[in-house]
Amino acid sequence: EPEVTQTPSHQVTQMGQEVILRCVPISNHLYFYWYRQILGQKVEFLVSFYNNEISEKSEIFDDQFSVERPDGSNFTLKIRSTKLEDSAMYFCASISGGDEQYFGPGTRLTVT
Amino acid sequence: GQQVMQIPQYQHVQEGEDFTTYCNSSTTLSNIQWYKQRPGGHPVFLIQLVKSGEVKKQKRLTFQFGEAKKNSSLHITATQTTDVGTYFCAGEPYGQNFVFGPGTRLSVLP
Repeated sequence: EPEVTQTPSHQVTQMGQEVILRCVPISNHLYFYWYRQILGQKVEFLVSFYNNEISEKSEIFDDQFSVERPDGSNFTLKIRSTKLEDSAMYFCASISGGDEQYFGPGTRLTVT
Repeated sequence: GQQVMQIPQYQHVQEGEDFTTYCNSSTTLSNIQWYKQRPGGHPVFLIQLVKSGEVKKQKRLTFQFGEAKKNSSLHITATQTTDVGTYFCAGEPYGQNFVFGPGTRLSVLP
């Protein structure tokens, strides 16, 4: 069964550093998403991406965040200057246009 | 802003007992999805409900979407230890992206 993959599984970074989280969505999917989940809390929408541009973003997705699809397979989330409160699990998800969102296994970001 | 609430926050049941989690949205939804997240895992899609009053079943799981398309429920009959996890509803308002509820964490005691 096809699956969404994410790397790295765990990223530890110092406050103020830039991080790039990587995702490989399912190959024929068209819509891509980033979510975050602070430990023990709910899943929060960050941004959706379609046709090589952002289609919607939440209040969390401020100027410190950016997304790219640098090639035909990768989908990245960049945080320019990490803060302590950015520590969370970051999930990538993709959808083919139907209903089911396929979530990746997540990247645990720890900002120290 | 649009909010999605879920109750209860936690539920502990004995294996074999039934379990229900309720989801309520502050706004009318175009559809609602349910996800299960095992401890340490990622959300896994369970089902999507679209029609007012819709009821869908998956083996021991029964999903309902309210007539007003603002609330939903997930009922598990005769829980098993494999049902352990957090169940999230995610509501999609018209023209907006999904908003996840805070989840109901289910523990099943053998």
